[in-house]
Amino acid sequence: AQTVTQSQPEMSVQEAETVTLSCTYDTSESDYYLFWYKQPPSRQMILVIRQEAYKQQNATENRFSVNFQKAAKSFSLKISDSQLGDAAMYFCAYNSGGGSNYKLTFGKGTLLTVNP
Amino acid sequence: DAMVIQNPRYQVTQFGKPVTLSCSQTLNHNVMYWYQQKSSQAPKLLFHYYDKDFNNEADTPDNFQSRRPNTSFCFLDIRSPGLGDAAMYLCATSKGGSSYNEQFFGPGTRLTVL
Repeated sequence: AQTVTQSQPEMSVQEAETVTLSCTYDTSESDYYLFWYKQPPSRQMILVIRQEAYKQQNATENRFSVNFQKAAKSFSLKISDSQLGDAAMYFCAYNSGGGSNYKLTFGKGTLLTVNP
Repeated sequence: DAMVIQNPRYQVTQFGKPVTLSCSQTLNHNVMYWYQQKSSQAPKLLFHYYDKDFNNEADTPDNFQSRRPNTSFCFLDIRSPGLGDAAMYLCATSKGGSSYNEQFFGPGTRLTVL
């Protein structure tokens, strides 16, 4: 079974600075998808960024980018120019992809605090 | 705006009293999911529907059941809630047959069991 590990229960960053959240995963599959989801306090979870394992290029969405190291099974999220609205719980998630496998396996999350 | 809606946002029930949580979607997605998220933990998938096909996770307690009467609605029934069932329940949807599984989440229903 796949597992996702987020080793940082909490992180903090100063507004306008850069922060990196760590995620590692374990799988024997070669084709899969990785996601970072953001869950603000009392608000719904939204997708921040996704990465297809077959793509070598790291995904980027505005201030959010990932460092995907397939061999190391590592998938970190970098948030540049942090804003107060970035404060949230961040979950790393894995999916085998396509076909009939719809299950997302989540890590335990990292609570990000942004200090003004 | 297309979205996933959950009602109620907060639900209080008594130990052993059946409770139903509701989810609706305007995204016209094939797949609907129910997750349980306990405090400071990752969401845990309970089951999902692909259209009318029900898929139960192996470790989902028998106490939890689900109904999907049509594409738009999905219900989570907890037959005899225990104190350990107090949690946030998240509904999510995704397109079927897509190459990746981006899931769209509702705001959740927080269940308190007295």
